[in-house]
Amino acid sequence: GDSVTQMEGPVTLSEEAFLTINCTYTATGYPSLFWYVQYPGEGLQLLLKATKADDKGSNKGFEATYRKETTSFHLEKGSVQVSDSAVYFCALGGSQGNLIFGKGTKLSVKP
Amino acid sequence: SAVISQKPSRDICQRGTSLTIQCQVDSQVTMMFWYRQQPGQSLTLIATANQGSEATYESGFVIDKFPISRPNLTFSTLTVSNMSPEDSSIYLCSAAAGSGYEQYFGPGTRLTVT
Repeated sequence: GDSVTQMEGPVTLSEEAFLTINCTYTATGYPSLFWYVQYPGEGLQLLLKATKADDKGSNKGFEATYRKETTSFHLEKGSVQVSDSAVYFCALGGSQGNLIFGKGTKLSVKP
Repeated sequence: SAVISQKPSRDICQRGTSLTIQCQVDSQVTMMFWYRQQPGQSLTLIATANQGSEATYESGFVIDKFPISRPNLTFSTLTVSNMSPEDSSIYLCSAAAGSGYEQYFGPGTRLTVT
């Protein structure tokens, strides 16, 4: 069945460091891909999405490109801030309209 | 986008009892879902709440344990029945305009079973 494999955490970075969180997927067809973020004590929020191959989703300085050839959707940010500390979830859109999530990656950014 | 509210936000319940969680969306949506997020874990889909018909459950989840209602396009309930400590988790409601659209999540209900 469809699945998402996400880089294990936790990830600890210094402020202004470069961030990459790897995400690969297994799916039939070409699902939509998403990154969700969960800040401490808050609900899940959509960070960015891509609906077809080579699409780049971007938001708040974060980017991810839908790579069909490598079945990947890695999340990147050029310069992280303390306020980016959160848990990040990669997800793909299932055939029934649901979301299939990766295990989540906890990011801590130190000043 | 859709704004989703859930009630209660948290509860502590005794083993063997049941709790009903309410999910309200501020606009009509095609699809509503219920997920479970166990401590430190990812989200697992419990079921798709279908308006006017029985919910569609994922493998490992059954209607007797997690009955779901969806009487209209903006509201759904999830009941956690005959609770045990293993049911301690965060339960999240989500909504989408349709298949392939982004999902919006409620703030979650943090359930602790003692």
